[in-house]
Amino acid sequence: EIVMTQSPATLSVSPGERATLSCRASQSVSSNLAWYQQKPGQAPRLLIYGASTRATGIPARFSGSGSGTEFTLTISSLQSEDFAVYYCQQSGTFGQGTKLEIK
Amino acid sequence: QVQLQESGPGLVKPSQTLSLTCTVSGGSISSGGYYWSWIRQHPGKGLEWIGYIYYSGSTYYNPSLKSRVTISVDTSKNQFSLKLSSVTAADTAVYYCARELIVGATYYFDYWGQGTLVTVSS
Repeated sequence: EIVMTQSPATLSVSPGERATLSCRASQSVSSNLAWYQQKPGQAPRLLIYGASTRATGIPARFSGSGSGTEFTLTISSLQSEDFAVYYCQQSGTFGQGTKLEIK
Repeated sequence: QVQLQESGPGLVKPSQTLSLTCTVSGGSISSGGYYWSWIRQHPGKGLEWIGYIYYSGSTYYNPSLKSRVTISVDTSKNQFSLKLSSVTAADTAVYYCARELIVGATYYFDYWGQGTLVTVSS
């Protein structure tokens, strides 16, 4: 079973700044990785699939990169609505999440 | 716009069977190309995939839950369902249904229901 590990567990960033979230796979998953955003009381929302393709309606400030075992989600200029928990996912396995909080 | 809606009891007694249904609107389960999944989230925790079903009835379950899980589909009602047997307090969670796209080795969930909290308690 592939294990997905996200870091950091919590990230404190000021609005307008850049946020960089990491996800590591225990073995190569090629580019088969997705990212989700979850706000309190809501279902997760698909942001990125195929490691770097934005889902429909996702703003351009969200970008994904990486392949193999190392992946990154970058939010270029944080808006107030971006503070949430972010999960990476490969097949049936999710990472434990990174909470992005306001600094 | 595809929409999914979970329904079912919010309270289940220990050792009983949890049963939930997901109703899909805005798209047909029978049209193929997508898998229909159940995912859960324990309170304050991360996401755990439970399993999926294809419109044909083929299923695949998380090995850690496989012995207790059954997912079925009713294409005439555009619904799919989850049964989880012999529940304990550890099964208390928010249960989501979701549409899953599988292309080669790429899997992702593009539409989700709002989720329903199921509490296991006597």
